[in-house]
Amino acid sequence: SAVISQKPSRDICQRGTSLTIQCQVDSQVTMMFWYRQQPGQSLTLIATANQGSEATYESGFVIDKFPISRPNLTFSTLTVSNMSPEDSSIYLCSVVKLVASYEQFFGPGTRLTVL
Amino acid sequence: AQSVTQLGSHVSVSEGALVLLRCNYSSSVPPYLFWYVQYPNQGLQLLLKYTSAATLVKGINGFEAEFKKSETSFHLTKPSAHMSDAAEYFCAVSSNAGGTSYGKLTFGQGTILTVHP
Repeated sequence: SAVISQKPSRDICQRGTSLTIQCQVDSQVTMMFWYRQQPGQSLTLIATANQGSEATYESGFVIDKFPISRPNLTFSTLTVSNMSPEDSSIYLCSVVKLVASYEQFFGPGTRLTVL
Repeated sequence: AQSVTQLGSHVSVSEGALVLLRCNYSSSVPPYLFWYVQYPNQGLQLLLKYTSAATLVKGINGFEAEFKKSETSFHLTKPSAHMSDAAEYFCAVSSNAGGTSYGKLTFGQGTILTVHP
């Protein structure tokens, strides 16, 4: 398995500001992803965090709004930029440790409220 | 393209009763299928997965699911519900085509399971 921690666990932010969320894994992983869970809704994939290169974004998500870094095999950050109330969501980091295991693990999430 | 439909946003059962949570999927390629559970204010925990081996998959906490290709279904069951099973359950599909599709899960809307004493 993989133990994933996220910081902060929750935050309340003002419109127009930015927040950076950190994801730390207890061991090296092959793949890292960022998901969003809007209130009362299911999870949606934002992007794949690629080590040492630009993240791969899903349709509807752009780098200017959600810049992502992954400097090594155990750490990634997601920034939510120029926030609006519509960005209020839970943001979850997800990892795949070994491709052949087909197991994907999720962090505890960061609950973001934008006023 | 892939999609997942979970029938019933809320399911309520009595303690000791059968739990049945329904999931139907759509996928243009053979799928990998997953069930996750989310307890209040916690992250997602993998219950079980189907990765083209045995069609009947057993998971943690007494849950199991059966992959039925003809019905495009992957329903989750547990013979006897326990109070601790109360949570939200998500069905998810991923492509087994590998490459850039690997690890990209498409989730259903979730089913909240309530267990009554």
